[in-house]
Amino acid sequence: NAGVTQTPKFRVLKTGQSMTLLCAQDMNHEYMYWYRQDPGMGLRLIHYSVGEGTTAKGEVPDGYNVSRLKKQNFLLGLESAAPSQTSVYFCASSWTSGSAGELFFGEGSRLTVL
Amino acid sequence: GQNIDQPTEMTATEGAIVQINCTYQTSGFNGLFWYQQHAGEAPTFLSYNVLDGLEEKGRFSSFLSRSKGYSYLLLKELQMKDSASYLCAVQDSNYQLIWGAGTKLIIKP
Repeated sequence: NAGVTQTPKFRVLKTGQSMTLLCAQDMNHEYMYWYRQDPGMGLRLIHYSVGEGTTAKGEVPDGYNVSRLKKQNFLLGLESAAPSQTSVYFCASSWTSGSAGELFFGEGSRLTVL
Repeated sequence: GQNIDQPTEMTATEGAIVQINCTYQTSGFNGLFWYQQHAGEAPTFLSYNVLDGLEEKGRFSSFLSRSKGYSYLLLKELQMKDSASYLCAVQDSNYQLIWGAGTKLIIKP
């Protein structure tokens, strides 16, 4: 059982380049999330999805876009990367957003923008 | 604004007990989570509290006081593998998770 899988694990970009992070889960979860984690800060929600075909903005959505065309996949795109987007990105999924909505995280994707 | 406070770093000795505190100020409350995150790895779920009191799970226990906006994670019989960051997160009235910056726990032999 793979759980939540993120690709790629590492990536270096130049300012202005674009890229897509892929998240795949095999637990049939409805809810999926993209977070970024920076030193000295809590996890910050970028975008999330409450089901196939739906997406919503989180706390820090600017500079990112997402798509959830299939229930098991949640893509995070950077159209024009900036150094401020250097971070570790985590995808997560859950059965529900309500009480006891335990999150299952992917291993993380470390992105460096030069 | 919404805020989660927890100590940045703590040090404890193998075999001992340590308590990691978390205080919160959020727009509403629908539960508090503790996650463990080893360096370079993903967070993993430890515990969930929605009612006041203590929840025990093996060597780990988590306590909640909603009136005080306070929780703690208690780790007993510390092992070297418990060296990790411990993240406190609160679900607000919209069921969004607000995360603390995490407490790095260092275990010494």
